[in-house]
Amino acid sequence: GDSVTQTEGLVTLTKGLPVMLNCTYQTTYSPFLFWYVQHLNEAPKLLLKSSTDNKRTEHQGFYATLHKSSSSFHLQKSSVQLSDSALYFCALSDRGSSGSWQLIFGSGTQLTVMP
Amino acid sequence: EAAVTQSPRNKVAVTGGKVTLSCNQTNNHNNMYWYRQDTGHGLRLIHYSYGAGSTEKGDIPDGYKASRPSQENFSLILELATPSQTSVYFCASGDVLGVNYAEQFFGPGTRLTVL
Repeated sequence: GDSVTQTEGLVTLTKGLPVMLNCTYQTTYSPFLFWYVQHLNEAPKLLLKSSTDNKRTEHQGFYATLHKSSSSFHLQKSSVQLSDSALYFCALSDRGSSGSWQLIFGSGTQLTVMP
Repeated sequence: EAAVTQSPRNKVAVTGGKVTLSCNQTNNHNNMYWYRQDTGHGLRLIHYSYGAGSTEKGDIPDGYKASRPSQENFSLILELATPSQTSVYFCASGDVLGVNYAEQFFGPGTRLTVL
């Protein structure tokens, strides 16, 4: 079945360094991928999304490129800030058994930025 | 932006008791979802609905029921609560926005503790 894999459970970095959070997927449909960010004790919020192959999408300093050839949608930022500390989820749009569209979430990556 | 509210925000229940979690959305979205979030598991889909009067089982429906009496409201019901249902529960609403994807907006979450 369709799935999303995030290989890093926890990433700890010093402020100002670059980061890449990995996301790979499997799907039988044309892929539509999302990144959600969840700060402590808050709801997940959409960070960025894409269905276009090899096109970089950006929001709030984060960027990701969907690569259908490698089934990947890695999240990157060139210089992390303390406020980027959060839980990041990669998600894939998927059609459920009833035909209704759902999201399949990866297990999440906790990013902690140190001063 | 989408507005999804949940009540209660925190709940302590006793084993064997009945718990009802409520969700309201004001965006006229057709689809609504209930997830639970546990450390190491990310967001797991319990039930969802694609319109008033409909409910569908998600990935982990056992021990839960759902009710969608109107477009705006979607409830999650634990008839006989157990300690294993201690978790944070998120409601989301969304709609199909293109050929093959559905964007979701999340409520603030309900922290449920079953003693």
